[in-house]
Amino acid sequence: ETGVTQTPRHLVMGMTNKKSLKCEQHLGHNAMYWYKQSAKKPLELMFVYNFKEQTENNSVPSRFSPECPNSSHLFLHLHTLQPEDSALYLCASSPIGQQGPSTTYGYTFGSGTRLTVV
Amino acid sequence: QKEVEQNSGPLSVPEGAIASLNCTYSDRGSQSFFWYRQYSGKSPELIMFIYSNGDKEDGRFTAQLNKASQYVSLLIRDSQPSDSATYLCAVRPYSGAGSYQLTFGKGTKLSVIP
Repeated sequence: ETGVTQTPRHLVMGMTNKKSLKCEQHLGHNAMYWYKQSAKKPLELMFVYNFKEQTENNSVPSRFSPECPNSSHLFLHLHTLQPEDSALYLCASSPIGQQGPSTTYGYTFGSGTRLTVV
Repeated sequence: QKEVEQNSGPLSVPEGAIASLNCTYSDRGSQSFFWYRQYSGKSPELIMFIYSNGDKEDGRFTAQLNKASQYVSLLIRDSQPSDSATYLCAVRPYSGAGSYQLTFGKGTKLSVIP
């Protein structure tokens, strides 16, 4: 399978539950990202990993905990979430390499996990 | 603070017309520019990429870049109802740490009326 795969596609969880979102990419990219997109709102960057090292945490509450065991896999561990955390969670990946402008270093997004917190 | 600005819309155009989507950016050193299309409830997909001043055409899509004005646009010719989506503009900075990261605009919602 190629591209960026996210599982599960849909998740309903209670506020006291613990769950994890998984992202896997088969593109040979070295950067991976978690984004949150609430209904009718823009993308919000949550975390950035570069060669499995976290390079950015965009003031995300500690109830969201990322994990990047290698350059191909990214997890988002969830615990004691709030209803306002219900959103579409998107994983993306991109290459890191020579910075020539002619190279298409766009992101490839996964299909997302639709999370509902009840 | 690097910023990418887009009119949130909605932009409504009749079927068959040209849709024009605009984006401005604050970082003058930015070197690569992307347009993503996002259908409701779906993930963004890359549809155009441009890095040189001028026009780049791909089918019904034309991206236009003017670095002096810090402006990038997307034209959709012969608009179809299936083009109805939110279009995200994204910018990659020039160089340095984090230059692989994109800054996204908030998106413009396009509605093509049959």
